[in-house]
Amino acid sequence: NAGVTQTPKFRVLKTGQSMTLLCAQDMNHEYMYWYRQDPGMGLRLIHYSVGEGTTAKGEVPDGYNVSRLKKQNFLLGLESAAPSQTSVYFCASSYSGRGGAKLNTEAFFGQGTRLTVV
Amino acid sequence: GENVEQHPSTLSVQEGDSAVIKCTYSDSASNYFPWYKQELGKRPQLIIDIRSNVGEKKDQRIAVTLNKTAKHFSLHITETQPEDSAVYFCAAPPFGNEKLTFGTGTRLTIIP
Repeated sequence: NAGVTQTPKFRVLKTGQSMTLLCAQDMNHEYMYWYRQDPGMGLRLIHYSVGEGTTAKGEVPDGYNVSRLKKQNFLLGLESAAPSQTSVYFCASSYSGRGGAKLNTEAFFGQGTRLTVV
Repeated sequence: GENVEQHPSTLSVQEGDSAVIKCTYSDSASNYFPWYKQELGKRPQLIIDIRSNVGEKKDQRIAVTLNKTAKHFSLHITETQPEDSAVYFCAAPPFGNEKLTFGTGTRLTIIP
């Protein structure tokens, strides 16, 4: 199993450009998450999804959009990048339990995407 | 995280001493309490977790204790080693709430 894979690993954008970050997991997890991590350590939740076709806002959703058309993929889009979106982005996924149990379990993280907006 | 406070934000201990990091939470429906470790330049990884039906769990040099009455849980690392230097995060998602948010993190530095 590859686990959680993010692409790309690095990217430099100019202000106003758009891009999409791809997160793919091969563990058949229902829950998927996008976080950003700025210098100083914290992981802040941008958006999350509890299943195919569903998404929800996290703590810092402004300036980002997401889609989960397939269970294994969770896409994060920046429509018009701003310098404030310079950060390291992490995707994560977790198993929710059998039969809609809605359990919280171990979250598996991707390797991160370092995005710089100039 | 919106329902978790983590302290301290930085912690330095001599190699061989113990380290304790504490998290408090507000939602009494929380029933899962994980701790993640993030080494420099790497992804966060789960190191230990506990559910609300137990008060303590140990795994070699690390342990987590839970006080549901006071709504706090702690990570204990004994006989610290240089490889324990990292940032540690806690979480306390309420049962049935898939919105996973983390504490603000603790940067632990082990002094040789």
